[in-house]
Amino acid sequence: DAMVIQNPRYQVTQFGKPVTLSCSQTLNHNVMYWYQQKSSQAPKLLFHYYDKDFNNEADTPDNFQSRRPNTSFCFLDIRSPGLGDAAMYLCATSRGGGTTYEQYFGPGTRLTVT
Amino acid sequence: AQSVTQLDSQVPVFEEAPVELRCNYSSSVSVYLFWYVQYPNQGLQLLLKYLSGSTLVESINGFEAEFNKSQTSFHLRKPSVHISDTAEYFCAVSDSGAGSYQLTFGKGTKLSVIP
Repeated sequence: DAMVIQNPRYQVTQFGKPVTLSCSQTLNHNVMYWYQQKSSQAPKLLFHYYDKDFNNEADTPDNFQSRRPNTSFCFLDIRSPGLGDAAMYLCATSRGGGTTYEQYFGPGTRLTVT
Repeated sequence: AQSVTQLDSQVPVFEEAPVELRCNYSSSVSVYLFWYVQYPNQGLQLLLKYLSGSTLVESINGFEAEFNKSQTSFHLRKPSVHISDTAEYFCAVSDSGAGSYQLTFGKGTKLSVIP
């Protein structure tokens, strides 16, 4: 089945220790998104890629970066995680640009910062 | 900028009873509206969406939502719920302008169906 895969499902990191979260897709979609969802809050878009074009949301902290080495993979790098970065991180894809295209979500990676 | 309010964080309902999950939005521009569902340990899945045309939209599993522009609402309804409908439901809104990528989500409503 075509899908969006996120690894690992649970990640524990130490305060200030860089961490990378991984997302892969078998849908061959052009657009990949990263969302942050803190406990009891709405998912919040951090950034997206349209093919190789990176688009950062205005209020995404500089501590968060992303890489998309090819169509299938996208990574979220947190350079110096703080306690406030503990959250569920959701990866999503869509075939085309714009919200008329359905977004397909992965199961998420829950990040704990100790 | 848009915002979404889901007034109920949790809704318990007995099996085969009707349910309504409320969603109100705020926007200064025309919008698209969405309902996503998240089952335990799974990603969000699109349930239904309003882009244009008929204000009443339906999903394949019996849910429906009606876009009410005057009340800025997009409430989700089902006449008879099943145990399998237990999940968290997220309402989302986006700018209907070309090139808009951002979905603004509500905080979610947890629907618990009681046998």
